[in-house]
Formats: sequence, C-alpha cells, structure tokens
Amino acid sequence: QVQLVESGGGVVQPGRSLRLSCAASGFTFSGYAMHWVRQAPGKGLEWLTFISYDGSDKYYTDSVTGRFTVSRDNSKNTLYLQMNSLGPDDTAVYFCAREFYGDFSWGQGTLVTVSS
Amino acid sequence: DIQMTQSPSSLSASVGDRVTITCRASQDINDNVAWFQQKPGKAPKSLIYGASSLHDGVPSKFSGSGFGTDFTLTITSLQPEDFATYYCQQYNRRPLTFGGGTTVDI
Repeated sequence: QVQLVESGGGVVQPGRSLRLSCAASGFTFSGYAMHWVRQAPGKGLEWLTFISYDGSDKYYTDSVTGRFTVSRDNSKNTLYLQMNSLGPDDTAVYFCAREFYGDFSWGQGTLVTVSS
Repeated sequence: DIQMTQSPSSLSASVGDRVTITCRASQDINDNVAWFQQKPGKAPKSLIYGASSLHDGVPSKFSGSGFGTDFTLTITSLQPEDFATYYCQQYNRRPLTFGGGTTVDI
C-alpha cells in the first residue's frame, strides 16, 4: 500500500535552513506528481508546492517562492523540500502528498519549529 | 487565487445524524474538488476527489456532489469516529487552495 514517510523536521533558528525528505514506498514513485502542504499550530491546511512526476514542472505558493525549493530523486523514491531563510511563520507540520488526478494520499507529517 | 469558502465553520451533531458541509469556489472549478478528514494531531485522510468519487477504502456513508462553484460533502449515519475536521480543496488551478475547515463535534 501507499506509504509516505516525512523526515528532517526539528527546531531551527530564524534565518537558517532545513531540508525535509519524504520517502515513498508501495507504488511507482516516478509515475506520480507530488505536493507539500503545511499546517501551522491550530490553523488550517496550506498548500506549498507541486512537482510533476519527472521533476520538469514545479509550482510554489507566493509565501515560499524564492525561499523553498522542491525536488525529487526518482532513483531513491524520495521527495525533498529545501527551506531557506526560515521565519517564525514557517513553524508548522509539513506533509507530503501523492496526487493522481486529484486523488491525494498523505504522509504522517514532520514538525518544523522556527525559534531562537 | 481561487478562494474556497466553507460553511459552517463548526457544527454539533449526534450519533446517527446526517450532516452536510458546503464549499463555494470564487470561480468555476468544474469538478476539481477534493474533501479531507482530519483528526487532532493526525494527517489528513482523503475522502472524495473529482467532487464525487470516493477515495479507495472510504465507506459509502461519505458522498460528495457539485459542479462549477458549489459543492457539498454529506455524511450519513454519523458515528463516533466521524467527529473530526473536514476540509475542501480545489485543484483546478494552481495555487491549490483549501477551505477553512468544518469541525464536527458532539
């Protein structure tokens, strides 16, 4: 069955960087588009970024454009999110999700806390 | 960006009830709507995509409808495990956007 496992979260100081990973298993990773979505404490869901099945197409929401970079390594079945210039507003649980024609499957999330 | 206006923001219900949650898009999004269930401290779970198609393994007590700008999620025979927060999402156009959520509690 589809399994997505995020890792790389933790406590980071403002202005620093962090890279999240999402390890995929149970399906042909290279055949699916992927997304990152986050949820700040006590808040709703916020979509962040999309990457096509082969990495050729990427899209970002305005609040992370220029700071976050999505990538994937289909040989390792892994999705990445490089996050730079982190600020307190980036504190959230970060989820990766697989998409197939609007049908999403979710990972369990990893918590990122930006604090000095 | 497309705004998804979800209502109500919360509702109280009892076991066995039928509940309906609505979502209105700020522009025509065809049937490119998904619905998710989320419990506290947990990841979202997919319920519906394509406005009315059930995600694999989701029971038929959940149903979705709508096209264009107005969409509904209906849950019949509410059970204790159904008390959660529900979100709609449009994927017709990037950036993808979510509704504000509806918390269903007792």
